[in-house]
Amino acid sequence: NAGVTQTPKFQVLKTGQSMTLQCAQDMNHEYMSWYRQDPGMGLRLIHYSVGAGITDQGEVPNGYNVSRSTTEDFPLRLLSAAPSQTSVYFCASSPRTGGWRNQPQHFGDGTRLSIL
Amino acid sequence: TQLLEQSPQFLSIQEGENLTVYCNSSSVFSSLQWYRQEPGEGPVLLVTVVTGGEVKKLKRLTFQFGDARKDSSLHITAAQPGDTGLYLCAGLDNYGQNFVFGPGTRLSVLP
Repeated sequence: NAGVTQTPKFQVLKTGQSMTLQCAQDMNHEYMSWYRQDPGMGLRLIHYSVGAGITDQGEVPNGYNVSRSTTEDFPLRLLSAAPSQTSVYFCASSPRTGGWRNQPQHFGDGTRLSIL
Repeated sequence: TQLLEQSPQFLSIQEGENLTVYCNSSSVFSSLQWYRQEPGEGPVLLVTVVTGGEVKKLKRLTFQFGDARKDSSLHITAAQPGDTGLYLCAGLDNYGQNFVFGPGTRLSVLP
């Protein structure tokens, strides 16, 4: 059971570089999201998608882009990395069918990103 | 912006002790979830509560949703080292679209 798969697990970038964090889920979930987790601040929503072709901004979207061309994949792009983007990034998915508010978000194991 | 506060931020106890952690907000939430996160992994759902005053039990864990749906508590009876982790609460936002997470309580249970 793969669930939500994130790659890479670790990455070090230099300021100004760009990169894409990959996220794939095999549960046919409509909803997918990206969070960043920083010490003492919990999980903050970056972008989310309620279905293929639909994306929207979360709480902290600046410096990040997303796209959702398929149900399975939801990549997160850092356009020009900055030290403030050093964090642990989590991708999550959940169904949006009836009773979805009681359903769990399924998280990947995270990508640990350091920007030098 | 809806905010969730959690207390305490850190808690270190001995195996066998009881403990309660809290999740509070000035906002009303239609749905509130508790997750546990272990090092190097993503959060895993423990429970969802949706009705004011609701109490749910999961083995030694008891979850309560406040009557006004602004706060919640998690009580652990006879804590074990396996309970060690970061406990996060998350409330469904006013638009009914996304969950807002609290900063978490980091629990350490010493053998």
